Amino acid sequence: EPEVTQTPSHQVTQMGQEVILRCVPISNHLYFYWYRQILGQKVEFLVSFYNNEISEKSEIFDDQFSVERPDGSNFTLKIRSTKLEDSAMYFCASKGTDSMNTEAFFGQGTRLTVV
Amino acid sequence: AQSVTQLGSHVSVSEGALVLLRCNYSSSVPPYLFWYVQYPNQGLQLLLKYTSAATLVKGINGFEAEFKKSETSFHLTKPSAHMSDAAEYFCAVSDHQGGKLIFGQGTELSVKP
Repeated sequence: EPEVTQTPSHQVTQMGQEVILRCVPISNHLYFYWYRQILGQKVEFLVSFYNNEISEKSEIFDDQFSVERPDGSNFTLKIRSTKLEDSAMYFCASKGTDSMNTEAFFGQGTRLTVV
Repeated sequence: AQSVTQLGSHVSVSEGALVLLRCNYSSSVPPYLFWYVQYPNQGLQLLLKYTSAATLVKGINGFEAEFKKSETSFHLTKPSAHMSDAAEYFCAVSDHQGGKLIFGQGTELSVKP
């Protein structure tokens, strides 16, 4: 069964460093998303990406964040200068355009720890 | 703006008992509604979805949910809990296909032997 894969599963970084979280969406999907879940809190939307551009972003997704689809398979989230409060589980998701398949498929997540 | 409220951050049931996890939503347009499950150290897995077809939706692992527009609810049920159902459950709403998901706070389900 096709799945969304994320790497790494766990990343520890020092405050102020740049991190890139990687995702390989399901191959025929065209909608891509990043969400995050701070420990003990709800899953929050960060950004959606369609047709090679950001289609929507939340207030959390400030200038420190960027997304990119550098090739036909990867979808990345970059945090330019990490803060302690960026520590969270980050989930990538993708969705097809088929009207019957309205759900997003999620990856296993990357646990980011900023120290 | 859309929102989701899940009543009860923790629910504990005995094995074989009915599972009822509550979800109420707010949406200005006909919603798409979803229940996801998260097992420890894993990602989010779709249990079931409502997309304006049948109001009673059946999902995986014996779960089902009923969309009640008058009550703005989408409660998740399972007639008989199994130990393997212990997990965190998230209700989510979207306002259109391809739209972002707005999640509830999650409900942790414990199943006692």
